[in-house]
Order: sequence, then structure tokens, then C-alpha cells
Amino acid sequence: QQQVKQSPQSLIVQKGGISIINCAYENTAFDYFPWYQQFPGKGPALLIAIRPDVSEKKEGRFTISFNKSAKQFSLHIMDSQPGDSATYFCAASANYGGSQGNLIFGKGTKLSVKP
Amino acid sequence: NAGVTQTPKFRILKIGQSMTLQCTQDMNHNYMYWYRQDPGMGLKLIYYSVGAGITDKGEVPNGYNVSRSTTEDFPLRLELAAPSQTSVYFCASRRDRVTGELFFGEGSRLTVL
Repeated sequence: QQQVKQSPQSLIVQKGGISIINCAYENTAFDYFPWYQQFPGKGPALLIAIRPDVSEKKEGRFTISFNKSAKQFSLHIMDSQPGDSATYFCAASANYGGSQGNLIFGKGTKLSVKP
Repeated sequence: NAGVTQTPKFRILKIGQSMTLQCTQDMNHNYMYWYRQDPGMGLKLIYYSVGAGITDKGEVPNGYNVSRSTTEDFPLRLELAAPSQTSVYFCASRRDRVTGELFFGEGSRLTVL
């Protein structure tokens, strides 16, 4: 119930294409869904996040789509660029009662954007 | 503004040795975390702290210990290093449990031989 399942494990996209990474969860108490971006040798950094009261959030070329009934959310990167090549992690947390809101991370997707 | 600072960046240990990974943050964040990252396995929570003097176990605490004597510092102690502890360790902090953004350090790569 505490897992967040992420796919695919790796993704190769041509420059200018759309990158799509999917995540699924079981715990219906999750109420915060962030995506983190990690470049080699660096720590992850928050890219974009969504709460379940909206179905989509867009920031520049990055969009989160959220499907509450299916318990799925996805990251879309439009017009993918070589500089987007990184590992992307989805995550989820719940802020209820005694929960400390700890993030549960997916296993990550390594994105390579070919020029 | 330095954010979250981890030391050392790299370390090689022999089996059975002990060491401490240091973590300090200058954002006055209450919540601090230690994660380990293994290839293809994502980020696993080792220990976390919700404030000075308060710590709790995460998903994979065995073989580790932590302390939180100040708001700024959250060291991670490995007592008897084992090859299974070879990993990249990340310290992170956030202001509170409602403000979701985690700020990560750049990581400490530990190899146990």
C-alpha cells in the first residue's frame, strides 16, 4: 500500500519529442504528488508537484496529469531537450493524523534525449 | 545561502569500520531526512527527524543511527560497515510536513570493501 510504481525504467526520446513517465499508487490517503529531477552527481530537486484537487498542472514544458479514480499520475515533457536528460522520480505522501508526511519515491526513470 | 551540505562526498571503508556522514542545513528547517539511493531502487528513507531531539526510523534503519542535537545538524552514523551499505547517501530537509518541497544535499558516495 505504501508503494509508488514508476514506469518505464529508462526512456530514449528524440529532441523535440514528448517524454511521458507514469506512476501508480495504492494508498488513497496520499494527497501530495511531486516529481523530482536528478542530474548525475547531484541531489534530486523538485521539478513540479500536484495535489489531488486538480487534474492537471503545467509549468513551462512540464505537465503533471493526475487521475484520482485510476490512482495514477504522469509527467509529460513537451519539446524534450538534451538538457532534460536526467533521472526523474515520482513520489507521494499523505498528511493525515499521525503521519509525518514522509515521501514515498518511485524507483526512477532515466531519460535520455538524443539530439 | 548554502542549503543542505553533506560531507564527505566520497569515502571508502573496510568491513567493520565505523564512520559518520555529516549533514547541515542553513534554512532553519525543522524536518530532516537521510535517504540511500541504490541503482534502479529509487530513494529509501533511513531515518528522519521532525525537530531537535526527535528522531524516528524510516524504511531501512538497520545498521544506522542518527542524532539531532541542533536544528542545523543531522549526522548519520554507521557503526559496523557492511558491503550492503555501499550506496549513495542523501540528506534532505524541509520546513514542515505540509510544505512539501524537500531540499537535498549533493550526496555522499560510500563504498564498503
